[in-house]
Amino acid sequence: VELVDSGGSLVRPGESLRLSCVASGFTFDDYGMSWVRQVPGKGLEWVSTINWSGDSPGYGDSVKGRFIISRDNAKKSLTLQMNSLRVEDTAVYYCARRKAEFAEFYDYWGQGTLVTVSS
Amino acid sequence: DIQMTQSPSTVSASVGDRVTITCRANRTISRWLAWYQQKPGKAPKLLIYDASSLESGVPSRFSGSRSGTEFTLTISSLQLDDFATYYCQQSDTYPLTFGQGTQVEIK
Repeated sequence: VELVDSGGSLVRPGESLRLSCVASGFTFDDYGMSWVRQVPGKGLEWVSTINWSGDSPGYGDSVKGRFIISRDNAKKSLTLQMNSLRVEDTAVYYCARRKAEFAEFYDYWGQGTLVTVSS
Repeated sequence: DIQMTQSPSTVSASVGDRVTITCRANRTISRWLAWYQQKPGKAPKLLIYDASSLESGVPSRFSGSRSGTEFTLTISSLQLDDFATYYCQQSDTYPLTFGQGTQVEIK
């Protein structure tokens, strides 16, 4: 099982950014997926989740209305579209695999991709 | 939102010590709690899920328990590889929330 995160970069407040996570080593469309972020040196914050079929996405309060999670099962990829970025969105973003469809615990994680929002 | 309060924030221990970390939820979450270990510059690693189920490949010195809304992670005999930061996470209710973390450092 491998998850490879990418797409992080330095952007200005108000700009958009798209993160990607490519999966391998397992049947991607058997699993729900999520994004979790971490400000360097700080704790973990759940960002968003999506089930195996792409239905019923969920979002944390701090990103609701600005971020959109999606997936392409044919390409075994997960995406986080981040709009109207704020300084406080600066963090390492990890994609993570749910251990089971109805278990929002994460048994595999990407290596993380750093998003920096600064003017 | 469900608040997860972890204690202590730091624990200083020696190899071979028994270490206990506690996580308390501010309302009932049944058994929907996980524990993760994180080392600097690395992604978290799942240790325990469903409060007390040991993730495959995790050493048996790690164990989890639950009493009401209080959850405990125990390391029965601390090893060098265990010095890290530990987080609890509830998955009972969205938004999912994590504890603030407990750093296990060398005494």
